Amino acid sequence: AQSVTQPDIHITVSEGASLELRCNYSYGATPYLFWYVQSPGQGLQLLLKYFSGDTLVQGIKGFEAEFKRSQSSFNLRKPSVHWSDAAEYFCAVGARGQGGKLIFGQGTELSVKP
Amino acid sequence: GAVVSQHPSWVICKSGTSVKIECRSLDFQATTMFWYRQFPKQSLMLMATSNEGSKATYEQGVEKDKFLINHASLTLSTLTVTSAHPEDSSFYICSARTGTGLVGTGELFFGEGSRLTVL
Repeated sequence: AQSVTQPDIHITVSEGASLELRCNYSYGATPYLFWYVQSPGQGLQLLLKYFSGDTLVQGIKGFEAEFKRSQSSFNLRKPSVHWSDAAEYFCAVGARGQGGKLIFGQGTELSVKP
Repeated sequence: GAVVSQHPSWVICKSGTSVKIECRSLDFQATTMFWYRQFPKQSLMLMATSNEGSKATYEQGVEKDKFLINHASLTLSTLTVTSAHPEDSSFYICSARTGTGLVGTGELFFGEGSRLTVL
């Protein structure tokens, strides 16, 4: 079955510290992978996406993610977290031929300590 | 980037009434729109896929008579929650897709969400 797992429900990091949010997927086809961020009561904003090619993708706001096929992972990273990064982060997977349907992970809530 | 707007952003209604939520693509034509439901502190669950001019395709477990979806034009899809009950209270998010190319190649945009509270 197709699924996306974000093992960490809640993460707290200090401002200026590095961040890594984990995402593992189970998908029969070649996956297209996404990371979205959601502020409270808001919709989703795309941070970055991976379709093919270079497995390290750069996104907005200084985020990057690395696709590791052997580990079925697509972890999100940021070298230095800012207080404004506090939000909910969702990993999602889709595929060609799925008509734009995405399967979302459970989300990871990020808190940033001053 | 492209803009998808939802209206209303929040609505409170009495149990038994029907509520309509609109999803508009403001600066592009959306051949396909998706409706998601999100419970507090939980992920987004796809409810249905809406293609302009045709019937929506509902995900397993979603009551099509309860959640009526209409995609009458390339810029507007509506979700009507009929005879709403407190358990229908949730955050509803739409997304819109342009074209027919690869999924997500800058083609999938999300609305701001609509929070429904049924008393």
